[in-house]
Amino acid sequence: EVQLVQSGAEVKKPGESLRISCKGSGYKFDSYWIGWVRQMPGKGLEWMGIIYPGDSDTKYSPSFQGQVTIAADKSISTAYLLWSSLKASDTAIYYCASTSTKYYFDYWGQGTPVTVSS
Amino acid sequence: EIVMTQSPATLSVSPGERATLSCRASQSVSINLAWYQQKPGQAPRLLIYDASARATGIPARFSGSGSGTEFTLTISSLQSEDFAVYYCQHYNKWPPYTFGQGTKLEIK
Repeated sequence: EVQLVQSGAEVKKPGESLRISCKGSGYKFDSYWIGWVRQMPGKGLEWMGIIYPGDSDTKYSPSFQGQVTIAADKSISTAYLLWSSLKASDTAIYYCASTSTKYYFDYWGQGTPVTVSS
Repeated sequence: EIVMTQSPATLSVSPGERATLSCRASQSVSINLAWYQQKPGQAPRLLIYDASARATGIPARFSGSGSGTEFTLTISSLQSEDFAVYYCQHYNKWPPYTFGQGTKLEIK
């Protein structure tokens, strides 16, 4: 059974750094792209970017390029979403999701709520 | 960047009736279009991929159609558990693989 298990909720202050994680199991983690999706409070889904864990090839949405970093450690089947300096506008739920043979997301993590507030 | 536009923003339908949701792409995405369902407090769930293929475990009352720039998700006979927000997403050629803004399907 394919599972993506994300790290728990975070409460941070503006300017702090953060790394959230997404651990995959039940499939060959390094052979399928895995992506991150943002959902701000009461809003829709925003595609942030994807990474191929096999070689760490990464593609970002222009809206998120330079704002976040997507990384992966295939040895522990885990993808990461990192911020170096959080802003209040980063407050959202962040989902990881895996692709199959194409770039749609067939399996999703449970979401990680991130709150950034002074 | 391809812009995906969904209509209507909100659709009110009675249980047992048919619901038709639309998604338009700003340029052709061929059949590289997926639909997702999201219920409150839950992660999205894949319903349809390649414009018309149902994902594993998705009931036959959900169907997708279209190609190019115009797509439709049809729910043939609404059940109580179908009231949710629905998103389309393209995955044609180059990223970003953008989502539409969503259609909220509510009980009439």
